[in-house]
Amino acid sequence: GQNIDQPTEMTATEGAIVQINCTYQTSGFNGLFWYQQHAGEAPTFLSYNVLDGLEEKGRFSSFLSRSKGYSYLLLKELQMKDSASYLCAVINSNYQLIWGAGTKLIIKP
Amino acid sequence: EAEVAQSPRYKITEKSQAVAFWCDPISGHATLYWYRQILGQGPELLVQFQDESVVDDSQLPKDRFSAERLKGVDSTLKIQPAELGDSAMYLCASSSLPDAPHEQYFGPGTRLTVT
Repeated sequence: GQNIDQPTEMTATEGAIVQINCTYQTSGFNGLFWYQQHAGEAPTFLSYNVLDGLEEKGRFSSFLSRSKGYSYLLLKELQMKDSASYLCAVINSNYQLIWGAGTKLIIKP
Repeated sequence: EAEVAQSPRYKITEKSQAVAFWCDPISGHATLYWYRQILGQGPELLVQFQDESVVDDSQLPKDRFSAERLKGVDSTLKIQPAELGDSAMYLCASSSLPDAPHEQYFGPGTRLTVT
């Protein structure tokens, strides 16, 4: 089967750094996405990785290792507004998007 | 900035009634998706269209759900009859797939409550 694994919940402190991990097993790979979803709202696109390495976008960075089936999302200088769920999703060889269940990130003052 | 439009934003209906949701994707996006999302879970794909054709509807409960995208632009998802277990967020997304980039852009969603 195909599956995406990520922690259910994480807690971090305002101003700190947090890393959210994602491991995947899919039938083929055509890219990995990270989305942010605030409670009651739709997911919004954060990042896309298709090659190994780190992609940086402001306070957010995303890393991919295709050989390990592994990615992480790194959030720096955490702000209270970063409290949300973070969803990892992989496009497989059929261009289907396989979604993880999301990691709920709680930011404490 | 172009956005995916959905309506209604909220819908309360009684079980056994019919309900319909509408989605207008970003202009030029060939691929349109309907998802169902239950709290605490990732989105579950119900149906994927490329232009007016259904690409994947393997998870669509076809005895009660139907979806169409007649002119390859906007789309309608219908549930008839609605059941209590259908209460969820229904999300529409679009992407330029098969052309890159492949990221999906979501509409605001429709929160359905079946009583």
